[in-house]
Amino acid sequence: GAGVSQSPSNKVTEKGKDVELRCDPISGHTALYWYRQSLGQGLEFLIYFQGNSAPDKSGLPSDRFSAERTGGSVSTLTIQRTQQEDSAVYLCASSFFQHEQFFGPGTRLTVL
Amino acid sequence: RKEVEQDPGPFNVPEGATVAFNCTYSNSASQSFFWYRQDCRKEPKLLMSVYSSGNEDGRFTAQLNRASQYISLLIRDSKLSDSATYLCVVLGWSDKIIFGKGTRLHILP
Repeated sequence: GAGVSQSPSNKVTEKGKDVELRCDPISGHTALYWYRQSLGQGLEFLIYFQGNSAPDKSGLPSDRFSAERTGGSVSTLTIQRTQQEDSAVYLCASSFFQHEQFFGPGTRLTVL
Repeated sequence: RKEVEQDPGPFNVPEGATVAFNCTYSNSASQSFFWYRQDCRKEPKLLMSVYSSGNEDGRFTAQLNRASQYISLLIRDSKLSDSATYLCVVLGWSDKIIFGKGTRLHILP
């Protein structure tokens, strides 16, 4: 079956613009996670969904970041008024409840 | 104490050697543990789950030591293709999943 997919694979934007990143989890997976990773760094947890609700938003760096999940499936991560420090790879993962996570290929965001 | 800690390495190991590294965790109530590997500029991929009784998958062996609160990964007969960053994952407080920063492994020809 299909794995986790993310789009776009690469996004270059200008400082101050809004961007929207999409994640399609594995069908039937209840949990969905967003992380970001800067070059050479570890994973930084952003937000976690169980179904459509987000029990843990503790990792969102600022109020410019928001995420939603609809229909227990697709999720979008929105970054408003992007800054250069937002440049990173944004990774999405899904799992069946709290079991093993499967990652998508990521979206590489570059803010000029 | 950090929730999950790993030696960042790098571990430089000759091909064919055995290498082992540990990951410590702070929450004694943690129930689930995993090892992931991440290749350069790629997403993390599940390597193996870590069970209480320990488990083995080919050249890879994972162990859990609850008393000392660490998990370990042993790689035997290392291959060049084993070069990667190995991430420890712990299911922590309130079902929060915590990734370690990773241990870099370089297998030398």
